[in-house]
Amino acid sequence: KQEVTQIPAALSVPEGENLVLNCSFTDSAIYNLQWFRQDPGKGLTSLLLIQSSQREQTSGRLNASLDKSSGRSTLYIAASQPGDSATYLCAEGFGDNNDMRFGAGTRLTVKP
Amino acid sequence: GAVVSQHPSWVICKSGTSVKIECRSLDFQATTMFWYRQFPKQSLMLMATSNEGSKATYEQGVEKDKFLINHASLTLSTLTVTSAHPEDSSFYICSARVLNEKLFFGSGTQLSVL
Repeated sequence: KQEVTQIPAALSVPEGENLVLNCSFTDSAIYNLQWFRQDPGKGLTSLLLIQSSQREQTSGRLNASLDKSSGRSTLYIAASQPGDSATYLCAEGFGDNNDMRFGAGTRLTVKP
Repeated sequence: GAVVSQHPSWVICKSGTSVKIECRSLDFQATTMFWYRQFPKQSLMLMATSNEGSKATYEQGVEKDKFLINHASLTLSTLTVTSAHPEDSSFYICSARVLNEKLFFGSGTQLSVL
């Protein structure tokens, strides 16, 4: 059974700290990997999408990497802020229809 | 970025009634729409995939007669939970995509069945 795993399940850091969220996947036939942010009552926001042919993507303070050979992706958040507090989900795209398989998420709390 | 509108945001209904949830892509035409459900502290689980004008493809274990999906146009998909029961209480969320581009999500619907 293919799986997507996110570690840690929860993370609490002081404001200003740089942090890394981890995502691992078992399906080597990945099409792409996407990182999302989930705020309560506000659904999901797409942060970064990395195609299988790419190694990383950057947007502002966020940098996501993809290593297909090891089945890992990381989301790096620089200079964290309280507004970054949310649950972060990674999802791998697979199959002919580019279905998505989600991890359970990492709940991030950034303390002021 | 693209906007996906999902309504209602929350709904409370009596057991045995049916509930319809709408998902609209506001500024783009979605070739594919997806429906997920999420139980507390668990990951999103894909329920079904729908392409405009064709029948939805349901994931294993999802009852197609209970969760009716209609994707009548490139901008609208609906999920109807028929004869809802308390165990159907969950967070339902839709997403839409053009070809192999990014996935854009609706804001979700919290369904509570009494």
